[in-house]
Amino acid sequence: EDQVTQSPEALRLQEGESSSLNCSYTVSGLRGLFWYRQDPGKGPEFLFTLYSAGEEKEKERLKATLTKKESFLHITAPKPEDSATYLCAVGGSNYGGSQGNLIFGKGTKLSVKP
Amino acid sequence: GAVVSQHPSRVICKSGTSVKIECRSLDFQATTMFWYRQFPKQSLMLMATSNEGSKATYEQGVEKDKFLINHASLTLSTLTVTSAHPEDSSFYICSAIQQGRGNTEAFFGQGTRLTVV
Repeated sequence: EDQVTQSPEALRLQEGESSSLNCSYTVSGLRGLFWYRQDPGKGPEFLFTLYSAGEEKEKERLKATLTKKESFLHITAPKPEDSATYLCAVGGSNYGGSQGNLIFGKGTKLSVKP
Repeated sequence: GAVVSQHPSRVICKSGTSVKIECRSLDFQATTMFWYRQFPKQSLMLMATSNEGSKATYEQGVEKDKFLINHASLTLSTLTVTSAHPEDSSFYICSAIQQGRGNTEAFFGQGTRLTVV
């Protein structure tokens, strides 16, 4: 059964304190691993797509990496505006090559204090 | 980026009534839209895949007669929760795929908070 597990459930950082969020997955044939940001009461906002082990992508203070079993979202020198829930998802067994049919983790709620 | 608009953002209804949620792609055409449900502190769970001009495909455990999906045009999909009960209270989110670009990307609506009293 395809599954996505994110840790920690919640993370509190001081502004400027770098850290990493973890996403462990089990899926029969990875067809894409996705990271999203979700603000309270809002829909997810796309951040990254990773397709193969060793792949890395960066966007401002965020960097996503991928291995065969997990992905990390590294946040460097975070700011209060980075506070949000970060969601990880993989293409499920019905995945059709687009970002639908996704299996999501429960997310990591990140709080960055000034 | 492309915009997906969901309406309403919040709705409170009485038990036994029906509620319709709209999902519109504002500046692109979406042949496929997806409906998710999110309970507090839980993952987004895919409910169904909505295809323009054809019947929706429902995930296992989702009652198709209770959650009616209509994808009548390339820019609009609707989810109707029929005979709603308090256990249907949840956050419903749609997404739409923008085709024809180098990397397909899902754009999510802002979600609809449904409370059944």
